[in-house]
Amino acid sequence: ELKVEQNPLFLSMQEGKNYTIYCNYSTTSDRLYWYRQDPGKSLESLFVLLSNGAVKQEGRLMASLDTKARLSTLHITAAVHDLSATYFCAGDSGYALNFGKGTSLLVTP
Amino acid sequence: GAVVSQHPSRVICKSGTSVKIECRSLDFQATTMFWYRQFPKQSLMLMATSNEGSKATYEQGVEKDKFLINHASLTLSTLTVTSAHPEDSSFYICSARGAPGTSYEQYFGPGTRLTVT
Repeated sequence: ELKVEQNPLFLSMQEGKNYTIYCNYSTTSDRLYWYRQDPGKSLESLFVLLSNGAVKQEGRLMASLDTKARLSTLHITAAVHDLSATYFCAGDSGYALNFGKGTSLLVTP
Repeated sequence: GAVVSQHPSRVICKSGTSVKIECRSLDFQATTMFWYRQFPKQSLMLMATSNEGSKATYEQGVEKDKFLINHASLTLSTLTVTSAHPEDSSFYICSARGAPGTSYEQYFGPGTRLTVT
């Protein structure tokens, strides 16, 4: 069974700072997804990573995938308050998505 | 991108009653639909997977007689919570995936907040 672990689970950071969220998974995953969830809302797709070495960037967020290490990272550059949300990574075993526990991010002035 | 809708977005029901939640793929044919449940401040937990025209496959620990799933068409799946109890109060999210070879991605609905009183 594909297990997905995220860390940290909680992250409070100042505006303007950089930080990285880590996502480890236990077995081979066809794809690795990153989602954002705002309170009371459903999931918003951020990135889909398909292959080893994949790197995708959108605004202040950059995601990467290392399939050999079974590790994906979500890097936040110069954080702003609007990035406050919960971020989930999910591995795709080809059957369904297995989600990490999520990282609750709070960006403070 | 592909759009998935859910109805209703919020529902409050009394203990012992049944509630039906609809999940529709609006602009693509969803051969597979997934139902997730999310408790406050927790992650999404897969409840069941349904393929159009087939019986749903339930995850371990999910009562199939309590959570009835029907996927009668390529654009509609329904989840019926029968004899609801307060502990069934949760955020229910569906997702849909197209046929193999069309798109591998799952598209998520906006969720349904169920409160059982």
